[in-house]
Amino acid sequence: DTAVSQTPKYLVTQMGNDKSIKCEQNLGHDTMYWYKQDSKKFLKIMFSYNNKELIINETVPNRFSPKSPDKAHLNLHINSLELGDSAVYFCASSQGLAGPTDTQYFGPGTRLTVL
Amino acid sequence: QKEVEQNSGPLSVPEGAIASLNCTYSDRGSQSFFWYRQYSGKSPELIMFIYSNGDKEDGRFTAQLNKASQYVSLLIRDSQPSDSATYLCAVIWDKIIFGKGTRLHILP
Repeated sequence: DTAVSQTPKYLVTQMGNDKSIKCEQNLGHDTMYWYKQDSKKFLKIMFSYNNKELIINETVPNRFSPKSPDKAHLNLHINSLELGDSAVYFCASSQGLAGPTDTQYFGPGTRLTVL
Repeated sequence: QKEVEQNSGPLSVPEGAIASLNCTYSDRGSQSFFWYRQYSGKSPELIMFIYSNGDKEDGRFTAQLNKASQYVSLLIRDSQPSDSATYLCAVIWDKIIFGKGTRLHILP
């Protein structure tokens, strides 16, 4: 049983296109996240949702729009893709939000390549 | 600005030796501290977390926290080639912030 799943695993697209990444967790967690990991392996939080409500919205271009239809799903839509968007995007979930024991459970990642 | 600092490495350690990974953080208001391991091409996975000063042991892993010095470390005893990975330190304030990771290479 996959705890946090993401689709697609790989995404190759042209500059200017719009694409979406989907994430689902079956852990019953209240909080979900999107992270970006760049070519230097730096893992940076982008967004966090708690019970479908946006909690954290880092300094991310507004071309990136997260959507949480329910607390088990968090999707990421990216408009007008740019070369600098190429990275691995990880979805994650945790039981609570920034609590002392809120372990992050990561999905397998989506490798986005913008040509 | 809240920051988490790690030496990027690579840190090379002979098999069977103790690997010592270090992490410093910028703000004393942090609540808890995590160590994640990430194999190449894979997602991060939790090794352990610590939130009280002192040591916490789990198998071959020991996390050490010194809040006064704003320092957290991870010791890996009896290092194995399978421990070769990038180790990410993470600190929770109002949100979680990851360090840039230390690449560990265990030499057979």
